Amino acid sequence: ETGVTQTPRHLVMGMTNKKSLKCEQHLGHNAMYWYKQSAKKPLELMFVYSLEERVENNSVPSRFSPECPNSSHLFLHLHTLQPEDSALYLCASSQAGSAGYTFGSGTRLTVV
Amino acid sequence: EDQVTQSPEALRLQEGESSSLNCSYTVSGLRGLFWYRQDPGKGPEFLFTLYSAGEEKEKERLKATLTKKESFLHITAPKPEDSATYLCAVRAGGGADGLTFGKGTHLIIQP
Repeated sequence: ETGVTQTPRHLVMGMTNKKSLKCEQHLGHNAMYWYKQSAKKPLELMFVYSLEERVENNSVPSRFSPECPNSSHLFLHLHTLQPEDSALYLCASSQAGSAGYTFGSGTRLTVV
Repeated sequence: EDQVTQSPEALRLQEGESSSLNCSYTVSGLRGLFWYRQDPGKGPEFLFTLYSAGEEKEKERLKATLTKKESFLHITAPKPEDSATYLCAVRAGGGADGLTFGKGTHLIIQP
């Protein structure tokens, strides 16, 4: 496989569930990112793992928890989400400090 | 705070009708301005990176330009397959290695 792969593509979960989103990159990049895309809003940066260092957006609620076990894999653990968390969650990778991200196709999350 | 504003929000053109999309930005120390294309149900696809005022880049019917305050994405003689949402983003000089995005321009090219 090549590029950035996200699973699952679609996820429906209740507010009391716990689930995880997975992202894998096969590009040899050393930085990975989680973005949230909601209707009528810009892409919102949630988390950055760059050169094994994590940088957070302090406005992201604690019900979202990232994990980056190595430079090729990234997870987003979800628990006790709210309906307003329904959105497209995009993973991206890059060479830290260089041009352009490569995005995955995203996970469409619906919280019911 | 870094800001990116794209206009118009939506644009409908006839096939072959050329036009331009605008991206205005305010950022502390620009380290790159990026254009992406996003199709429905997919992640953004990288188009261009511009680094300094006066720089231009071209790809097929698309041409991106950059000034100190804004960037334009010019679309020449568009085809229906150019229909998509076009996103602009900037990388700032300091802080986390992340991009700040605009809301995008939804472009529809009618046959």
